Formats: sequence, C-alpha cells, structure tokens
Amino acid sequence: GENVEQHPSTLSVQEGDSAVIKCTYSDSASNYFPWYKQELGKGPQLIIDIRSNVGEKKDQRIAVTLNKTAKHFSLHITETQPEDSAVYFCAASNDYKLSFGAGTTVTVRA
Amino acid sequence: DAGVIQSPRHEVTEMGQEVTLRCKPISGHNSLFWYRQTMMRGLELLIYFNNNVPIDDSGMPEDRFSAKMPNASFSTLKIQPSEPRDSAVYFCASSRGEQGQEAFFGQGTRLTVV
Repeated sequence: GENVEQHPSTLSVQEGDSAVIKCTYSDSASNYFPWYKQELGKGPQLIIDIRSNVGEKKDQRIAVTLNKTAKHFSLHITETQPEDSAVYFCAASNDYKLSFGAGTTVTVRA
Repeated sequence: DAGVIQSPRHEVTEMGQEVTLRCKPISGHNSLFWYRQTMMRGLELLIYFNNNVPIDDSGMPEDRFSAKMPNASFSTLKIQPSEPRDSAVYFCASSRGEQGQEAFFGQGTRLTVV
C-alpha cells in the first residue's frame, strides 16, 4: 500500500516568516495530494490540493508543489500568522483511499 | 451547508459497553469514510462506503467494530464490546464522486473507554 512520510514533525517559525513542510510517497500510481490543517479539538480541514497533472498550485499565502519523478510534494506557507499555528497533514491517493503523513505541528511565534 | 455532523462529540464509557457513533454526511456526497486518529497510529481509514454500500472495510480492527449506512444521510459506527485500547478520536468524512477524493471531515467524536 501507499506509504507517506512527512517532515519535519514540529516546526517553529517567527511571525511573518515562511514555513515549508515536505512529504514523500511510495506509490507511483498516486495522483491526488491534499493538505489538511487540524486545529485543537477540530477535524482536519482541507486547505489545498494538487493533482498529478499539475506541478504547482497557489492560493493566497499557501502553495503546494509536486515532483512526480521524485515522488515528493511540499506545502509552503508565506507571511505566517498566529492563526496558522496548527497540525498539518499531507496525504496521497490514487482512488478513494487517503494515506496520511504523521503530521507537522506548526507554531508561529509572535 | 452545515458540513459533516458527528455525534456525540465526547463519549466516556466503561469497558464492555456498547458504543455507537453517528454521522450525517454533507448532502449530495455519495462517499463516506470512518477514520480513527490516535497518537501512535495517526489517521487510519476504518471503512469506506460508496452510495451506501461498504466498499472497503479492511481497516476495521476486529469483529467488535461494525458500521452501517442505512441511507444517504446517516451512518453509524458501533463498537461492541468496547475496550480501553479503542480510546481515540473517530472522524467521519464525506466526499462527492466515486473516487472519493476531496474528503471533508466532521468535528470528530472523542471516545474514552475506562
């Protein structure tokens, strides 16, 4: 089955700086790569996703890049704000089944 | 839309008791998932329904776990009998389309078995 590895497990950044989270996947058939943000006591919330026919996607301060050859994808958050503090999960899928990374706890220091 | 609705939000029960978790998916979504989240194992898919039919239950840990989807707007996950190791946060998610991508999660049910 699909195996998704996510790094780093924790990330502390100064407000206004950028944050980058990286994931690798094992199944070359995977074609859908979402990112979820989970705040304390809440369910994961889809924040951005990318499909295998696209190399990069941007939505305001958030961007995701995908390298299918190397089987890795990354989340970039620019101009971080305190409300960006949360746990972020990457996932990979080639059908209905989402395989999640272990998560990255992001802390934005004021 | 109100999103995926789960109940209860918190459940504390004694070992051996039956526990039923409930989920109302987003209207119009035909795929429904039950996930379990723990510190040790992260987010694990327990079961996947498409058009109310269970398609993949390979993630259900053992026979003590069962799930039903009697109609497009309701699903249950039942644990009988419950054990302390079942303590976790259980999430329901739904999505549109047969491939079940772009899943939207509910707020979860935090289950504690004592």
